Amino acid sequence: GAGVSQSPSNKVTEKGKDVELRCDPISGHTALYWYRQSLGQGLEFLIYFQGNSAPDKSGLPSDRFSAERTGGSVSTLTIQRTQQEDSAVYLCASSQAGEAYNEQFFGPGTRLTVL
Amino acid sequence: AQSVTQLDSQVPVFEEAPVELRCNYSSSVSVYLFWYVQYPNQGLQLLLKYLSGSTLVKGINGFEAEFNKSQTSFHLRKPSVHISDTAEYFCAVSEQGTGGFKTIFGAGTRLFVKA
Repeated sequence: GAGVSQSPSNKVTEKGKDVELRCDPISGHTALYWYRQSLGQGLEFLIYFQGNSAPDKSGLPSDRFSAERTGGSVSTLTIQRTQQEDSAVYLCASSQAGEAYNEQFFGPGTRLTVL
Repeated sequence: AQSVTQLDSQVPVFEEAPVELRCNYSSSVSVYLFWYVQYPNQGLQLLLKYLSGSTLVKGINGFEAEFNKSQTSFHLRKPSVHISDTAEYFCAVSEQGTGGFKTIFGAGTRLFVKA
């Protein structure tokens, strides 16, 4: 595709339910990132995938959060037993390689609302 | 720990006036610096970046930023803003370490251009 795509664009769920958020990176990009954007705060790093290396999970806020990347392409972020504080916009980004100087290309985000 | 501070959460300015959005970072090693822009209801996109060389960096839409190592700053400027510049602007810092790298984003500055 032409850019990073994310689905769904909006997700409303009830407290305690599990949700899955999907990210399709730009074709050929080996690095993929997940961030969380809360109102009035910057982008909070969640997890980073680079090629076949073990992901950097240091930003995941709790063990309710997990992510996987199948075949080095599509990624799914899963939040189990959602809480109201999980409400935020979840952003996915990809870059050509996992180097600090590479530009990250962002998707439009998934707005998650936990009631 | 690496951190990014955007000193102004909101900046209102009249059309055709100059604007400066401030960004300071803390890091003890060489860094790469970025400004991203998020227009309403859109994803983040790169405005400009500093990797090395000239400390004055020019980006899209007439924006420029100056890297000041002694003051650990990377302020964004535009001599004359347009209504269409209304958006949220994020400063980001990446540094390469032995185990990989981290990109830290500031909390964002909302630029509001008034007619």
